[in-house]
Amino acid sequence: GAVVSQHPSWVICKSGTSVKIECRSLDFQATTMFWYRQFPKQSLMLMATSNEGSKATYEQGVEKDKFLINHASLTLSTLTVTSAHPEDSSFYICSARDRSGGVDTQYFGPGTRLTVL
Amino acid sequence: DAKTTQPTSMDCAEGRAANLPCNHSTISGNEYVYWYRQIHSQGPQYIIHGLKNNETNEMASLIITEDRKSSTLILPHATLRDTAVYYCIVRVSYLNEKLTFGTGTRLTIIP
Repeated sequence: GAVVSQHPSWVICKSGTSVKIECRSLDFQATTMFWYRQFPKQSLMLMATSNEGSKATYEQGVEKDKFLINHASLTLSTLTVTSAHPEDSSFYICSARDRSGGVDTQYFGPGTRLTVL
Repeated sequence: DAKTTQPTSMDCAEGRAANLPCNHSTISGNEYVYWYRQIHSQGPQYIIHGLKNNETNEMASLIITEDRKSSTLILPHATLRDTAVYYCIVRVSYLNEKLTFGTGTRLTIIP
């Protein structure tokens, strides 16, 4: 299947700092990428949908000024957690939508574990 | 989106076929059934998807009932590495439809 990478795989930061997470589709172009968050022992919760060249669409309850999403190319989307606080500590996972060859499937990255001290 | 119902947990002996059921009684005619799994502390892995015909790939088989109200994911020869949470999701394929994850089935493969 198609490969999606994320960087970094884990990050520890101080409260009040900003953290950027990158999501790349390595062998396909993705006009649409998605960002999820997962707290311990819970399921994945969609945060936002990112479309290349346009503004992201955020799910209800997700602060767009806190979680900045940029999808500047067909293979790269970034999520910046601004002024991070301990409650933002979570597992952040991106996915990219592959619509090539008549297939329509989302492939997920390995996730980024964020710990805010 | 149609909702799905899955058992909370299942056990399966190593080497046996693992059969994971999913109910989606309110599925619409244009909604596909997707299966993903998530191994601990990793991103979800795509397994298979289908509309109404049975599907098979190198990982698994998907059996969809004729009325499409339920489906079964079959892992033909389960290994310890198949221990994971398995998610059954229905969505419309051709729209920018998000994947909505439920609680899934925690499958444990027993040596």
